[in-house]
Amino acid sequence: EAQVTQNPRYLITVTGKKLTVTCSQNMNHEYMSWYRQDPGLGLRQIYYSMNVEVTDKGDVPEGYKVSRKEKRNFPLILESPSPNQTSLYFCASSLLGQENTEAFFGQGTRLTVV
Amino acid sequence: AQKVTQAQTEISVVEKEDVTLDCVYETRDTTYYLFWYKQPPSGELVFLIRRNSFDEQNEISGRYSWNFQKSTSSFNFTITASQVVDSAVYFCALSGSGYSGGGADGLTFGKGTHLIIQP
Repeated sequence: EAQVTQNPRYLITVTGKKLTVTCSQNMNHEYMSWYRQDPGLGLRQIYYSMNVEVTDKGDVPEGYKVSRKEKRNFPLILESPSPNQTSLYFCASSLLGQENTEAFFGQGTRLTVV
Repeated sequence: AQKVTQAQTEISVVEKEDVTLDCVYETRDTTYYLFWYKQPPSGELVFLIRRNSFDEQNEISGRYSWNFQKSTSSFNFTITASQVVDSAVYFCALSGSGYSGGGADGLTFGKGTHLIIQP
């Protein structure tokens, strides 16, 4: 089954404690990205990657890091989480360009930073 | 930069009524793609439709229909004979060729319309 898998689904952490949210896709997609969803703001892109070892900032990259060492994985790293990073996070993957029929989204990770 | 506007923050209708969700977009790309996603209370994002900028044909899928009008930069979504299960937040989104910024192939989302269908 084609899917994007995020872990964990729920996470409560304290300010400053490094955390990683994993994302893995099994569709051999080149393009992967991270979004955060906040009430009244919709979803905003944090980082994206067009292929292995190629990553770039989206609209709200501050406080986040990513890596793309393998095509299937695209972890989101919060080196020093702060309360304003409390949000619902989605990982997505898709084919590139003209072949892009839809972005497949993970189930979401609800992060609370206290 | 790309922009998607969903002016309706929340809509509440009684079951079986028809309802239209508005979406207006801005982009400088000549080739772009428009999407609608549904987010039920469980939180996942469910893909509904993708439309290419060069295909202005309207689309109907069961009770759902979409009206794409390039002249007004709109891509509206209508649910006919609404049902309680249609209650969700609906997002309109846009992706382009990357020349307008926002990350090539990345999705620019509207803020969403919360649709409430009352029994």
